[in-house]
Amino acid sequence: AQSVTQLGSHVSVSEGALVLLRCNYSSSVPPYLFWYVQYPNQGLQLLLKYTSAATLVKGINGFEAEFKKSETSFHLTKPSAHMSDAAEYFCAVTGGSYIPTFGRGTSLIVHP
Amino acid sequence: DGGITQSPKYLFRKEGQNVTLSCEQNLNHDAMYWYRQDPGQGLRLIYYSQIVNDFQKGDIAEGYSVSREKKESFPLTVTSAQKNPTAFYLCASSLRDRTIDEQYFGPGTRLTVT
Repeated sequence: AQSVTQLGSHVSVSEGALVLLRCNYSSSVPPYLFWYVQYPNQGLQLLLKYTSAATLVKGINGFEAEFKKSETSFHLTKPSAHMSDAAEYFCAVTGGSYIPTFGRGTSLIVHP
Repeated sequence: DGGITQSPKYLFRKEGQNVTLSCEQNLNHDAMYWYRQDPGQGLRLIYYSQIVNDFQKGDIAEGYSVSREKKESFPLTVTSAQKNPTAFYLCASSLRDRTIDEQYFGPGTRLTVT
């Protein structure tokens, strides 16, 4: 069985501030973890994925995520938010099944 | 450029009519998926297909049907039996049916039924 919980349906930050989007997972086998971004009225795009090669994963647009097995977490961060980062972010897990289980999404709001 | 195309972008139908949403990929991916997205509910899996001429029901298959006659194409029909069809529909594909494979998404079709 596999599941994902994204804490906070909305996160609001100021431009230039740290972005932290939280994701906790549950998996009965070693997981693969993914972060996707969705801009309004568009499909999802892969930001980064964890495949056990390295616990700190760097993705596109300056985002990175750290896999912490002890905390069953895979939080997404970016040091400095840009207005263009405003979007919906989804965490997903595979492992028990190749069909990903997606979180409910976190809407990132960036204030000027 | 390789990718997934969905057409049309916006679709309007009267209640009681069947409607078919198109999904085509030129990524040479084996697996394809259909999701429904409603505000605040994330993505819910409707149908998926690992290979041509084979597909499986997802979590919310009732009122939907699919076919996979070609590797590149995975059309979704929303039938009149679907009680609440108005939603944003996303098609996706992955290279294989492996846990390490990420999904590639199309731009989506927004269906409105009145």
